[in-house]
Amino acid sequence: EAGVAQSPRYKIIEKRQSVAFWCNPISGHATLYWYQQILGQGPKLLIQFQNNGVVDDSQLPKDRFSAERLKGVDSTLKIQPAKLEDSAVYLCASSSTGIGYTFGSGTRLTVV
Amino acid sequence: DAKTTQPTSMDCAEGRAANLPCNHSTISGNEYVYWYRQIHSQGPQYIIHGLKNNETNEMASLIITEDRKSSTLILPHATLRDTAVYYCIVRVYGTGGNTPLVFGKGTRLSVIA
Repeated sequence: EAGVAQSPRYKIIEKRQSVAFWCNPISGHATLYWYQQILGQGPKLLIQFQNNGVVDDSQLPKDRFSAERLKGVDSTLKIQPAKLEDSAVYLCASSSTGIGYTFGSGTRLTVV
Repeated sequence: DAKTTQPTSMDCAEGRAANLPCNHSTISGNEYVYWYRQIHSQGPQYIIHGLKNNETNEMASLIITEDRKSSTLILPHATLRDTAVYYCIVRVYGTGGNTPLVFGKGTRLSVIA
């Protein structure tokens, strides 16, 4: 089966600019997650979707981060405006009940 | 916060067994032990999971103590490609939906030729 697709693979932006990341989960997976992974740390959950509804966004910095999952399939994560501390790898994962997680390869964001 | 404790790093000689320990002393009765690994520049990859019985698959074996307060992931014949960060995670596994994986810092395993 095809894996979780993410794009772009790398992105460099200046602070205060905006950026968007895209994720296409595995077909049929109802649950989609966005994680942030800062260098040297484990991934940290930002938001969890069940179909097109938000299940948990308690760790999403909502003043600058937003995410949506239209039609319960693809998802986008946006940062506006970006700060230096947002430099990280942004990972998307999908799962379905009874099936484990599958992660994408991530988008590496560098804010300069 | 992560509910597991793992050593920060370990080395293993190529071809030897790699034994990665994990403490999860506060594990609940309905929580499973999951292991994932993350190779450089890739997303985490599922390895194995178990509740209380030992488990084995094509990648690894999982040994869980009888009191379930700790476990060991065993890679029977480590290769250079097994160099990665290994995460031990406890997670409720039920039919009511998907609970998220909560990652700690993991163990950085270096397999040495």
